[in-house]
Amino acid sequence: DAGITQSPRHKVTETGTPVTLRCHQTENHRYMYWYRQDPGHGLRLIHYSYGVKDTDKGEVSDGYSVSRSKTEDFLLTLESATSSQTSVYFCAISGRDGDTQYFGPGTRLTVL
Amino acid sequence: RKEVEQDPGPFNVPEGATVAFNCTYSNSASQSFFWYRQDCRKEPKLLMSVYSSGNEDGRFTAQLNRASQYISLLIRDSKLSDSATYLCVAGGTSYGKLTFGQGTILTVHP
Repeated sequence: DAGITQSPRHKVTETGTPVTLRCHQTENHRYMYWYRQDPGHGLRLIHYSYGVKDTDKGEVSDGYSVSRSKTEDFLLTLESATSSQTSVYFCAISGRDGDTQYFGPGTRLTVL
Repeated sequence: RKEVEQDPGPFNVPEGATVAFNCTYSNSASQSFFWYRQDCRKEPKLLMSVYSSGNEDGRFTAQLNRASQYISLLIRDSKLSDSATYLCVAGGTSYGKLTFGQGTILTVHP
C-alpha cells in the first residue's frame, strides 16, 4: 500500500467553525489531491497540488483552501464549515501528471 | 451530461458468473483510463489501467474503444470477495485531473 495517512479519520464539528484536514505521504510524490465523495456525486476534485507551494482549484473548490509547504504534507482547510461540507474526504497522490492516483484511508467529516 | 457515465447497478450475480461493466466518457481528449475498486467505507484502490490494446489480469479483462469513447471491465468466475463498487476513471486532459464515474455496485452471492 502507498504510504498515505490522513488525520483526523473522523471529525464532528459545528457550523461556522474552522476545520483543517491533513494528508501526509512518505512516497515523495509530486502530485497531491483532495477529493470529496458524496452519494449521487461520486468522487469530486476539490484542490490539487503539483509541487511545494503550487496548488490549483478543482471542480468544487468553493469554501475550501489548501496549503503545501512540504512535499509530504497537503492541508485542506474549511474556513467556516457548513452542513453541505459533511462528506468523506480522500487525499490522493500521484508520481506523474495524469497517472495512477493512490488514495489515503479518508476522513469522515460531519458538520452539525 | 456527466463526463464519465456508468450503470450504477446493482449487479447481483452468483459465484462463478461472468459479469461485464460498461462505461462511457465524454471528453475525447482523455488520455489515461483506469478501473478502481472501492469496498464499503474504504478508499478507492486501483484495479487496473486500461490500454487501447486491451489488457488482462487474471480473471479481469479491460477494454478501451477510443472511437466510441467506451471502456469495459469483464470479471470471469466471480468470487464473493469481488463484491464492491467499481469506479470507471478517465484522465490526462489537464494537470492530474482524473474524472471518476459514480461507480457500479457488484454483489456476488453464494
